[in-house]
Amino acid sequence: EAGVAQSPRYKIIEKRQSVAFWCNPISGHATLYWYQQILGQGPKLLIQFQNNGVVDDSQLPKDRFSAERLKGVDSTLKIQPAKLEDSAVYLCASGWAGTTEAFFGQGTRLTVV
Amino acid sequence: QKEVEQDPGPLSVPEGAIVSLNCTYSNSAFQYFMWYRQYSRKGPELLMYTYSSGNKEDGRFTAQVDKSSKYISLFIRDSQPSDSATYLCAMSAAGRRALTFGSGTRLQVQP
Repeated sequence: EAGVAQSPRYKIIEKRQSVAFWCNPISGHATLYWYQQILGQGPKLLIQFQNNGVVDDSQLPKDRFSAERLKGVDSTLKIQPAKLEDSAVYLCASGWAGTTEAFFGQGTRLTVV
Repeated sequence: QKEVEQDPGPLSVPEGAIVSLNCTYSNSAFQYFMWYRQYSRKGPELLMYTYSSGNKEDGRFTAQVDKSSKYISLFIRDSQPSDSATYLCAMSAAGRRALTFGSGTRLQVQP
């Protein structure tokens, strides 16, 4: 079974620039999550989708972050404009509908300079 | 106060030792408890999943949940150098499936 795919693996941008991350979840998984992991901390939820609907985006900084999951499969997370404090690993995870277990991708390491 | 507290370590043990990793939490609504292992520059990998209180064993790994004390543990028997990683506890409440994570404990198993 193929795992959660994310791209790119690494990205370096200047502050105030924009960036987008892509995620392809495990086939059949209705739930998709984006987490932010700052160095030395645990992952923090940004947004949770069920199919193509948003379940929880209460911790998403909506003035600069946006996410979409068109057709209930792939998802993109965008940051515009980026700030220095956005430097982190952005993790995508997916899971079966109605379950709690989440399976993570390798993450995208973002450095904002 | 964080919802989930976890000692960051690092925890250094000799090969073959029994390792005990722990988390405490404050939200009594948490019912699902997980342990993830994260190698450097990799995504978290699900190790153990427990619902409510009790023990669960899988090979060298045992997960324990004590809801009355709001305390969860992961035991690793016969630890190996390949177990060297950061271990993250995670938990969620019924109906809200997203996980709340601890900050992770870095484990080093010395050969």
